[in-house]
Amino acid sequence: KQEVTQIPAALSVPEGENLVLNCSFTDSAIYNLQWFRQDPGKGLTSLLLIQSSQREQTSGRLNASLDKSSGRSTLYIAASQPGDSATYLCAVSSSGYSTLTFGKGTMLLVSP
Amino acid sequence: DADVTQTPRNRITKTGKRIMLECSQTKGHDRMYWYRQDPGLGLRLIYYSFDVKDINKGEISDGYSVSRQAQAKFSLSLESAIPNQTALYFCATSDLSVSGEQFFGPGTRLTVL
Repeated sequence: KQEVTQIPAALSVPEGENLVLNCSFTDSAIYNLQWFRQDPGKGLTSLLLIQSSQREQTSGRLNASLDKSSGRSTLYIAASQPGDSATYLCAVSSSGYSTLTFGKGTMLLVSP
Repeated sequence: DADVTQTPRNRITKTGKRIMLECSQTKGHDRMYWYRQDPGLGLRLIYYSFDVKDINKGEISDGYSVSRQAQAKFSLSLESAIPNQTALYFCATSDLSVSGEQFFGPGTRLTVL
């Protein structure tokens, strides 16, 4: 059974810092990996999707990398801003016909 | 307009009542999902459907049922609500023919007293 772990569970940084959020998964045979953002009490917003054949994806100040062999993904946020404060969720799909398995998230607080 | 909508957005009900949560999507996706989110437990899959005639149980289907009325509509029912079904419920969609990326609705906050 696939298990997804996110470290740290919470992170507090001052504005302007570059930061890395970590995601690990136990079964390296994945189809894709998705990073989401969730604001308190709100829905999930898809940030980046990495297919199993890809090593990284970029969107603006966000960069996600994938190392399937080691079962790891990182989400890099450059020049953090208070508006980046949210919970970040990592989720993996093990095949095209399977569903997502989620980590419990990293709660990020960026202070002005 | 939002691509994935959920109704109601908030609901308070009593133990033993039957509740239906509805999800509609305009993305044209064939796959739809229902998740629940609890503090400390993350998101867990309740049911999913890959097509109108396809229904599959997820990790925590006990106490729930679903109906896929059309490609765009997927409803979740709690036949007899109990307090430990108090949670935030999300509907999601995806289209395998593109990338398998999942898109989520805004959620329904359900409280069972």
